[in-house]
Amino acid sequence: EDQVTQSPEALRLQEGESSSLNCSYTVSGLRGLFWYRQDPGKGPEFLFTLYSAGEEKEKERLKATLTKKESFLHITAPKPEDSATYLCAVQAKYSSASKIIFGSGTRLSIRP
Amino acid sequence: GAGVSQSPSNKVTEKGKDVELRCDPISGHTALYWYRQRLGQGLEFLIYFQGNSAPDKSGLPSDRFSAERTGESVSTLTIQRTQQEDSAVYLCASRGPISGNTIYFGEGSWLTVV
Repeated sequence: EDQVTQSPEALRLQEGESSSLNCSYTVSGLRGLFWYRQDPGKGPEFLFTLYSAGEEKEKERLKATLTKKESFLHITAPKPEDSATYLCAVQAKYSSASKIIFGSGTRLSIRP
Repeated sequence: GAGVSQSPSNKVTEKGKDVELRCDPISGHTALYWYRQRLGQGLEFLIYFQGNSAPDKSGLPSDRFSAERTGESVSTLTIQRTQQEDSAVYLCASRGPISGNTIYFGEGSWLTVV
């Protein structure tokens, strides 16, 4: 069964303190892995799509990496405005287009 | 449109009443998804449309839930005889030829059943 597990559930950092969020997945062949940011009361905002192991993508203070079993979202020198819930999702290669499975998210809080 | 648009943004309804939630996908996006997110929880898949047909309705939690899509555009999610456990945010997302496999979400419709 396809599964996505995110850790930690919650993370509190001091402003400027770099860290990483983890997304472990089990799928029968990966079509794509997605990272989203969700602010309270808002819909998820797209960040990155990764397709194959070894791929990396960057946007401002965020960098996403992918291996055959997991993805990391690295946050470098975070600011309070980076506080949000970060969601990971996967789509399996040998399943229907509807099967985009989300993890339960990591709640990130950055203290000034 | 520029983004996925959902209405109403907030809805408070009495238990037992029917509600309709609307989604306008990004122009040109042929695939449309509905998800449910209860407070503090992850996204729960409800239904997927490709064009006007729904090849995957496996996530609809009961026969009180239904959805339709017309003109390969607007979709309506209907919840009949609402229950308190239906209280959640209902998120719509769409995907199109240019976006590849990536889906883009609207801001959601917050439903509260009292």
